[in-house]
Amino acid sequence: QVQLQQWGAGLLKPSETLSLTCAVYGGSFSDYYWSWIRQPPGKGLDWIGEISHSGGTKYNPSLKSRVTISLDTSKNQFSLKLSSVTAADTAVYYCARWDSSNWSWGQGTLVAVSS
Amino acid sequence: QAVLTQPSSLSASPGASASLTCTLRSGINVSTYRIYWYQQKPGSPPQYLLRYKSDSDKQQGSGVPSRFSGSKDASANVGILLISGLQSEDEADYYCMIWHSSAWVFGGGTKLTVL
Repeated sequence: QVQLQQWGAGLLKPSETLSLTCAVYGGSFSDYYWSWIRQPPGKGLDWIGEISHSGGTKYNPSLKSRVTISLDTSKNQFSLKLSSVTAADTAVYYCARWDSSNWSWGQGTLVAVSS
Repeated sequence: QAVLTQPSSLSASPGASASLTCTLRSGINVSTYRIYWYQQKPGSPPQYLLRYKSDSDKQQGSGVPSRFSGSKDASANVGILLISGLQSEDEADYYCMIWHSSAWVFGGGTKLTVL
């Protein structure tokens, strides 16, 4: 059973860079797609982007200019960086694994952006 | 116009059926997409219910009761999640999702109230 454990700063100021990391335990890192998904308080789900086990990336067009997702296969970890954050980026951020039919989720990290 | 549109709320009585819709934007043909459905309760990540493309291409999530089912109305360009025999524990937010233009896209979600 795969487990995803994520961490990162929970409070940022406007214009700073959001940085989160997700570690994968109990499952293969290969043959899957690894995503970041966020959910603003009281709102719906917003897919940020994904990285394949080989390092190929796809991003939400609305965030593409500010997002970088990277991979460290030696540590079974993947990371999210979102630059120039504003209050609109305040959300619970989830890391997730896509296995062709379903997501396996991290526990979620609330990131608040406030001056 | 959003890619996927869901009614923001729906109410139904215990024991009744609820039909949750996911309307695809004009020009995006529902017949060509697998539509995934998720249930989310407060404080938890979304849980997979099922996916539906056609009667020959569908999948029920592990442990998901058969009273949750998927369908489509091609004439309305809509994906449908039908929940029969509503129970109080079905009260939750429901999201549809598709893979469109190399990105995962979520609907805005429907809050189902069982009263």
